[in-house]
Amino acid sequence: AQKVTQAQTEISVVEKEDVTLDCVYETRDTTYYLFWYKQPPSGELVFLIRRNSFDEQNEISGRYSWNFQKSTSSFNFTITASQVVDSAVYFCALSEPMEYGNKLVFGAGTILRVKS
Amino acid sequence: DSGVTQTPKHLITATGQRVTLRCSPRSGDLSVYWYQQSLDQGLQFLIQYYNGEERAKGNILERFSAQQFPDLHSELNLSSLELGDSALYFCASTHGVFGISSQQQFFGPGTRLTVL
Repeated sequence: AQKVTQAQTEISVVEKEDVTLDCVYETRDTTYYLFWYKQPPSGELVFLIRRNSFDEQNEISGRYSWNFQKSTSSFNFTITASQVVDSAVYFCALSEPMEYGNKLVFGAGTILRVKS
Repeated sequence: DSGVTQTPKHLITATGQRVTLRCSPRSGDLSVYWYQQSLDQGLQFLIQYYNGEERAKGNILERFSAQQFPDLHSELNLSSLELGDSALYFCASTHGVFGISSQQQFFGPGTRLTVL
């Protein structure tokens, strides 16, 4: 069965610090997709990134960057120069294929608190 | 805005009652997924429908049921409610069930159910 582990339950940083959120996954599939979602206090799930298993290039989007390493089954997320608005719960997820479609298997989430 | 709508936004009810949560997928999306986010279980997959037919079941209780109507909107019915059913219920949609179009799930804003 597929599994996603986010070992960091909660992280607190001061504004402008860099922070890395860890994600380790388990799967037997050779083709799979990984995701990061942000859940702000308002509750909605905000899509941040999708990465397929064949693309190990790191990705940067503004202050966000992602490090995908198949060798260690990790897909870590770094926020550079954190801001108070980054305070949220962040979920890493793995797409698990079903007969029709794919379900998302989520990690437990990491609560990020950015203090001013 | 993901294009997925869910109503109601909040629902407060008593134990033993029955409620219906509604989801309208993005225009053109044929597949609907339901997820439950609770403090105990985290974010977990409940059930999937594709073009009106149930296609996959996850950790869905027998007291819960769902359906997808010809206009593709979906309803999640929760009956004999218990305190532990209090959670945030998300609906997500995708266009297809195979290939890349099946990988991007667009989430609605969620329905927060409180059982007193």
